Amino acid sequence: GAVVSQHPSWVICKSGTSVKIECRSLDFQATTMFWYRQFPKQSLMLMATSNEGSKATYEQGVEKDKFLINHASLTLSTLTVTSAHPEDSSFYICSARVLSLLDRAGNTIYFGEGSWLTVV
Amino acid sequence: DAKTTQPPSMDCAEGRAANLPCNHSTISGNEYVYWYRQIHSQGPQYIIHGLKNNETNEMASLIITEDRKSSTLILPHATLRDTAVYYCIVRVADTDKLIFGTGTRLQVFP
Repeated sequence: GAVVSQHPSWVICKSGTSVKIECRSLDFQATTMFWYRQFPKQSLMLMATSNEGSKATYEQGVEKDKFLINHASLTLSTLTVTSAHPEDSSFYICSARVLSLLDRAGNTIYFGEGSWLTVV
Repeated sequence: DAKTTQPPSMDCAEGRAANLPCNHSTISGNEYVYWYRQIHSQGPQYIIHGLKNNETNEMASLIITEDRKSSTLILPHATLRDTAVYYCIVRVADTDKLIFGTGTRLQVFP
């Protein structure tokens, strides 16, 4: 299947600093990518929709100024956690759909391997 | 909110079929049912998806009831490596949004 890659796989940062996580579609183009967050023993929570060449759309309750999303190309979206605090420590996961002329409803959505963020 | 409900956990003997149920009684006519699984500390892995017909691939089979209000994921010969959390998801119509529920934790035992 199609591959979505995230980098870094894990990162430790100091409280108050910012950290960037990359999400790449390796063998396909993606006009839309999604960012999720998952706390231990919980399900994935959708944070935002990343749109290539335009502003991201954030889910209710997600601070757009804290979680900056940039989707500058058809193969790369980045999530920057600004002024990170320990409560931002979590597993961050992205997903993407293969860009196709086929009916969107039938396409498969792939997930990255995830990025562990620990804020100390 | 997720539009699906699943049992929190299930057990299955290795080599036997694992049948994972999912209820999605409020599904709309153009909404697909997707199944993913997540092994600890990894991103979700795509398994299968369908609209109204039953589907089969190399990993599993998906049986969708005629009224589309429920479905069952079947792993025909479960192995220990199939131990994971399985998520049944109704994709939001006209979008690629997948809203995750709590999933079913499948434990395959020897």
